[in-house]
Amino acid sequence: GAGVSQSPSNKVTEKGKDVELRCDPISGHTALYWYRQSLGQGLEFLIYFQGNSAPDKSGLPSDRFSAERTGGSVSTLTIQRTQQEDSAVYLCASSLAGGGRTTYNEQFFGPGTRLTVL
Amino acid sequence: AQSVTQPDIHITVSEGASLELRCNYSYGATPYLFWYVQSPGQGLQLLLKYFSGDTLVQGIKGFEAEFKRSQSSFNLRKPSVHWSDAAEYFCAVSDSWGKLQFGAGTQVVVTP
Repeated sequence: GAGVSQSPSNKVTEKGKDVELRCDPISGHTALYWYRQSLGQGLEFLIYFQGNSAPDKSGLPSDRFSAERTGGSVSTLTIQRTQQEDSAVYLCASSLAGGGRTTYNEQFFGPGTRLTVL
Repeated sequence: AQSVTQPDIHITVSEGASLELRCNYSYGATPYLFWYVQSPGQGLQLLLKYFSGDTLVQGIKGFEAEFKRSQSSFNLRKPSVHWSDAAEYFCAVSDSWGKLQFGAGTQVVVTP
């Protein structure tokens, strides 16, 4: 497809379980971002990838959260030992290049994964 | 530290009336500013962006925004609102990595 895709679209899990969320960026986009959207916190940045490296992980809320990107393409966000406060919509975005100072910084967002922790 | 404030959580506007959404930012250097729209059940879509140059920026769907450095503002406007403009609107500022910091959002309701 032409856009950013995320899977699953919805995930319901029990407190304490681990979950993996997947993002497929637009082909050729080198930059990839994860954000989280929740009622209490709004839209928050989690992590940024340039290629397979993550120069900015400052938004990850705890060490239960990790992410990787392989082949400069697909990214997986993993949440271990999920808590109820992790319930949110997790959004992925990709852009042709990273860096806010270029005309290529338009970020294209996926539809998100809605995570519910019971 | 950078921050973005959208003072209005909720705005109701009549179809055909004008719309202005407020955004104030705090940023140490020249800001790079964006407005995004999120329709129900949809992902975020970029309406317009400001990097430099002309302070009045035109975007998609008939929206425009004006960058005012003296007021640290980047307000979004549309002269005549359509029912399809009902959505949540987010102002954002970008750092050097492209990381977006969003405001809390403004929910726009359009009445007939």
